[in-house]
Amino acid sequence: EIVMTQSPVTLSVSPGERVTLSCRASQSLSSNLAWYQQKPGQAPRLLIYDASTRATGIPARFSGSGSGTEFTLTISSLQSEDFAVYYCQQYNNWPPLTFGQGTKVEIK
Amino acid sequence: QVTLRESGPALVKPTQTLTLTCTFSGFSLTTSGLCVSWIRQPPGKALEWLARLDWDDDKYYSTSLKTRLTISKDTSKNQVVLTMTNMDPVDTATYYCARTRDGYNYFDFWGRGTLVTVSS
Repeated sequence: EIVMTQSPVTLSVSPGERVTLSCRASQSLSSNLAWYQQKPGQAPRLLIYDASTRATGIPARFSGSGSGTEFTLTISSLQSEDFAVYYCQQYNNWPPLTFGQGTKVEIK
Repeated sequence: QVTLRESGPALVKPTQTLTLTCTFSGFSLTTSGLCVSWIRQPPGKALEWLARLDWDDDKYYSTSLKTRLTISKDTSKNQVVLTMTNMDPVDTATYYCARTRDGYNYFDFWGRGTLVTVSS
């Protein structure tokens, strides 16, 4: 089973700041990685797939990069609606499909 | 417009069997390449993938839970059903169904989820 490790666990940020979230895989994923955003009481929403492709309707301030075992989600200028928990998910080697433990982006 | 909606009991007792139904619209599981998965999330914790059912009736299960899970479909009703046996309080979670496409194993559409509490 591929283990996904996200860092940091919590990130305190001010609106307008640039945010970088990390996701590390225990084995190479090529580019088979997705990112999701989850707000309280809501289902996750797909942001990025194939490591760097934005899903339909996702603002350009969200970008993904990386390959192999190291991946990054960047929010170029944090908006108030971006405070949420972010999860990465691998789909290179499955079953099982596995998620990271999440990074919470909170207001500083 | 793709939508998914989970339904099932909000409360089950330990040792009971849980049956959850995912009713979807905007796509059909008779369409080649389409799949539906179940994912759960204990309160305040991370997401855990449970099972996937494909258009061609292939089925995949979580390694740790496979002995307790069964996934099936009713294509005439646009439904996917998950059963989980021998429920325990640690199975308390919000259960989601979500769509994927074969070869593109990320979840592009999700239901709102249903909270299942396991307690006597």
